[in-house]
Amino acid sequence: DAGVTQSPTHLIKTRGQQVTLRCSPISGHKSVSWYQQVLGQGPQFIFQYYEKEERGRGNFPDRFSARQFPNYSSELNVNALLLGDSALYLCASSSGGYTQYFGPGTRLTVL
Amino acid sequence: QQQVKQSPQSLIVQKGGISIINCAYENTAFDYFPWYQQFPGKGPALLIAIRPDVSEKKEGRFTISFNKSAKQFSLHIMDSQPGDSATYFCAASKTDSWGKLQFGAGTQVVVTP
Repeated sequence: DAGVTQSPTHLIKTRGQQVTLRCSPISGHKSVSWYQQVLGQGPQFIFQYYEKEERGRGNFPDRFSARQFPNYSSELNVNALLLGDSALYLCASSSGGYTQYFGPGTRLTVL
Repeated sequence: QQQVKQSPQSLIVQKGGISIINCAYENTAFDYFPWYQQFPGKGPALLIAIRPDVSEKKEGRFTISFNKSAKQFSLHIMDSQPGDSATYFCAASKTDSWGKLQFGAGTQVVVTP
């Protein structure tokens, strides 16, 4: 069975640009959560979507937004990129319970 | 404000030894405590998890010990192997926000041959 998939694997952007990251959950999973992991730190929660509705939002600025599609895949958008947005962006899927399965992440570098 | 505090930051253990990582939390509403293993350039992989109604859970060489009154939990890796060299994260979540994991800062474990 395929796990959580994320694209792209790596991305390089410049300050002020916008980026879209994509996530496909495990088949049958209806919940997707997004996390930001800065090098050397633990992941920080950004958003959760369940059944296409936003169910939680972390302490991130409005430059961060997300959505979930009818097939439960999800996109994370970040506008007006800052150097500090450089991180590994992780997507996790869940069938609706506590257990979350993470994808490999998208490494975003902002120059 | 970090809701889950993890120690030590790094750990070196000999092959065959025991690795012990500790975590402490403040929010008594937390009711799910997983441990994740992460290799460089990869996403975290779920190792083992525990609920507060159980004081210990064992899966293979990995054991979680949970102390509800002290608001602490720990991961023990028995018979540590070089392949266990990775960063380990504890985390916590609660019923009304089950999709939101609060992570500790991580412990880098190095197992020497």
